[in-house]
Amino acid sequence: AQTVTQSQPEMSVQEAETVTLSCTYDTSESDYYLFWYKQPPSRQMILVIRQEAYKQQNATENRFSVNFQKAAKSFSLKISDSQLGDAAMYFCAYRSAIEGGADGLTFGKGTHLIIQP
Amino acid sequence: GAVVSQHPSWVICKSGTSVKIECRSLDFQATTMFWYRQFPKQSLMLMATSNEGSKATYEQGVEKDKFLINHASLTLSTLTVTSAHPEDSSFYICSAKPGLAYNEQFFGPGTRLTVL
Repeated sequence: AQTVTQSQPEMSVQEAETVTLSCTYDTSESDYYLFWYKQPPSRQMILVIRQEAYKQQNATENRFSVNFQKAAKSFSLKISDSQLGDAAMYFCAYRSAIEGGADGLTFGKGTHLIIQP
Repeated sequence: GAVVSQHPSWVICKSGTSVKIECRSLDFQATTMFWYRQFPKQSLMLMATSNEGSKATYEQGVEKDKFLINHASLTLSTLTVTSAHPEDSSFYICSAKPGLAYNEQFFGPGTRLTVL
């Protein structure tokens, strides 16, 4: 079974600064997807960024980028120029890409990100 | 596009009663829908995966007879919590995937269930 570990229950960053959220995972599969989701107080899950394991290039979406280290099974999220609206719970998630494999997401426990004005 | 709705958003029921939660994909056909459970200040746990027209696949430890899932159409899945008890109180979130080759799941806004 796959596991996702987020070792930072809470992180705090000054507005306009950069913050990195950590995520490690364990899997025996060779092909998979990794995601970062944001859950604001409304509880609506919002996809922040997605990485396909077969791609060596790190995914980037505007101020959000990942550092994907496949050998180390590490998938950290970097948020640049932090904004007040970035305050939320952030979940790292794994999904198998193996044909016939599990389709649901396995989530980490989450990191509560606080933005200090 | 890719909007998923849930109804109701909030429900309170008495212990021993059954509660049905609906999950609808509003602007796409969802071949696969997922149900997650989230306890306060905790992560999401996958409960089951349902494919249209077939029986749901439940995760280990999830009681099939307590959490009945029906995916009768390509736009609707329902979760029925039967004989609910206070320990079933939680936040239930559904998500939907447009197709087998699609990588992303689209999440509904969730349903808060409180069992008295």
